[in-house]
Amino acid sequence: GAVVSQHPSRVICKSGTSVKIECRSLDFQATTMFWYRQFPKKSLMLMATSNEGSKATYEQGVEKDKFLINHASLTLSTLTVTSAHPEDSSFYICSARPDGEAFFGQGTRLTVV
Amino acid sequence: GEDVEQSLFLSVREGDSSVINCTYTDSSSTYLYWYKQEPGAGLQLLTYIFSNMDMKQDQRLTVLLNKKDKHLSLRIADTQTGDSAIYFCAESPNSGNTPLVFGKGTRLSVIA
Repeated sequence: GAVVSQHPSRVICKSGTSVKIECRSLDFQATTMFWYRQFPKKSLMLMATSNEGSKATYEQGVEKDKFLINHASLTLSTLTVTSAHPEDSSFYICSARPDGEAFFGQGTRLTVV
Repeated sequence: GEDVEQSLFLSVREGDSSVINCTYTDSSSTYLYWYKQEPGAGLQLLTYIFSNMDMKQDQRLTVLLNKKDKHLSLRIADTQTGDSAIYFCAESPNSGNTPLVFGKGTRLSVIA
């Protein structure tokens, strides 16, 4: 099946710094990618839809200036958590749907200290 | 809006069958998925079923779909300790570039 690669898998950063998470489609082109967030012992909540060459679409309650999404090519979408705070600590995971089936990256566990 | 519901916990003995249930509200759901998430890991697609199917079997996994009742179940035969994980049900109305809607996940504990 298709492969979605997410990097890094784990990151620890200091409060106030920014962290970039990359999501790559390795063997297909993805005009759209989805970014989810998962709190401990909770389900995945859609944060935003990343569209190649245009602005991302954010879900209600997600701050677009806090979570910057860039989808500059057909194989790469990035999520930057700006001025991170401890409450941003979470598991972030990206997804793409070539031909209907949904594939997920390995996820990034962000810890802000 | 769309909603997917699952029971939160299930505990079974090793060797028994596990049945994880899921209900959804979107009558236009076309794709229905089961994902497995082990502690600290990402999502692993276990299986999926199209809405025009009633059942799909893949080795120890059997998915049953009752479209009339909008009920989906995942049966794991001969459950092993390695099956302990969180299982997420998810649905999507189409095959296009739309996100999946997830249930809250069912935590399966397998007792040796």
